[in-house]
Amino acid sequence: GQQLNQSPQSMFIQEGEDVSMNCTSSSIFNTWLWYKQDPGEGPVLLIALYKAGELTSNGRLTAQFGITRKDSFLNISASIPSDVGIYFCAGPNTGFQKLVFGTGTRLLVSP
Amino acid sequence: NAGVTQTPKFQVLKTGQSMTLQCAQDMNHNSMYWYRQDPGMGLRLIYYSASEGTTDKGEVPNGYNVSRLNKREFSLRLESAAPSQTSVYFCASSPGSQAFFGQGTRLTVV
Repeated sequence: GQQLNQSPQSMFIQEGEDVSMNCTSSSIFNTWLWYKQDPGEGPVLLIALYKAGELTSNGRLTAQFGITRKDSFLNISASIPSDVGIYFCAGPNTGFQKLVFGTGTRLLVSP
Repeated sequence: NAGVTQTPKFQVLKTGQSMTLQCAQDMNHNSMYWYRQDPGMGLRLIYYSASEGTTDKGEVPNGYNVSRLNKREFSLRLESAAPSQTSVYFCASSPGSQAFFGQGTRLTVV
């Protein structure tokens, strides 16, 4: 089945640093979604991407839909302590019946 | 606007006990999902329902049953709980290509 691999698995950074993470697949996705999960909470949608090459921002977050449709990238600029959490990429399967989730990138930010 | 509501939030079961996790959404979404999340791991799909009246297995359906009672409600049942089912369970609903999650149910089986 379709699988999404995220890297890095975890990151420990200093407040104020920029962060980059990516998500790759062996198959094409027509939609890419980025979620954030705060400790003890359910995932919350950050950014949705619908077109190859699309670059979308949400505050300090910027995500890109890769040209090959097999990858996506999320950047966080000037990180702050509340950016701590797990970031997941996701995409609907070929039949749009269910969402496939990536393995997650755990972000820790030191004040 | 409640979104996706899960009950209970916490539960402790003894091995062999049964229970039902409830999920309701008020966004008129067609699709609903149940995921489990184990420590340090991602979300694994247990069952999903693409529309009222239909259910399908996900990656890890063994030991679970589901019921799509109506468009709003999608319940997950553990008939005979096992320690391996200790996890955090998330319900989600979707209008199409996105998903909105509940707060989760933290289940411990002892």
